[in-house]
Amino acid sequence: EDQVTQSPEALRLQEGESSSLNCSYTVSGLRGLFWYRQDPGKGPEFLFTLYSAGEEKEKERLKATLTKKESFLHITAPKPEDSATYLCAVVSYQKVTFGTGTKLQVIP
Amino acid sequence: DAGVIQSPRHEVTEMGQEVTLRCKPISGHNSLFWYRQTMMRGLELLIYFNNNVPIDDSGMPEDRFSAKMPNASFSTLKIQPSEPRDSAVYFCASSWEGSGSYNEQFFGPGTRLTVL
Repeated sequence: EDQVTQSPEALRLQEGESSSLNCSYTVSGLRGLFWYRQDPGKGPEFLFTLYSAGEEKEKERLKATLTKKESFLHITAPKPEDSATYLCAVVSYQKVTFGTGTKLQVIP
Repeated sequence: DAGVIQSPRHEVTEMGQEVTLRCKPISGHNSLFWYRQTMMRGLELLIYFNNNVPIDDSGMPEDRFSAKMPNASFSTLKIQPSEPRDSAVYFCASSWEGSGSYNEQFFGPGTRLTVL
């Protein structure tokens, strides 16, 4: 059975304090790993797709990386508007498994 | 594009009643997903359609749950009879899936279901 574990469950940062979120996974045949952002009361919003170990993607203050066992979402100099829950999901043989998310709070 | 559309946005019903949730995927997408989100279990995939055909329904909790996709622009998730433990936010998502490619899913705003 595919498993996805995200850590930490919650993270509180001061504005400008960089950090990383972790997504570790155990899957049979990884087809892709996705990062989403979810704001309260809304559906998840797509951020990145990573397909193979060593791949990196960047968007504004966010950078996602992938190894054979885990993915990191690095947040550089975060701002209060980056506060949200960040979800990762893995796809294997047409099955999608989401992690439970990291709730990020950025304090001004 | 209006994005994925779900209705109703909120539903409050009593135990034993039938509940029908509706979804209109993004035009041109060929895959549709129904998820359930709770604080305890996070986001769980219930069922996945590709080209209107159910591919994986292993996440459907029990026979009380059923889903249909009669055409490329409409899907329903039905719970009959509903129970208090079905209370959750239900999301519909759609994507374009090509041969061997797995693309990002676009989520609707969700339906918050409360079963009393």
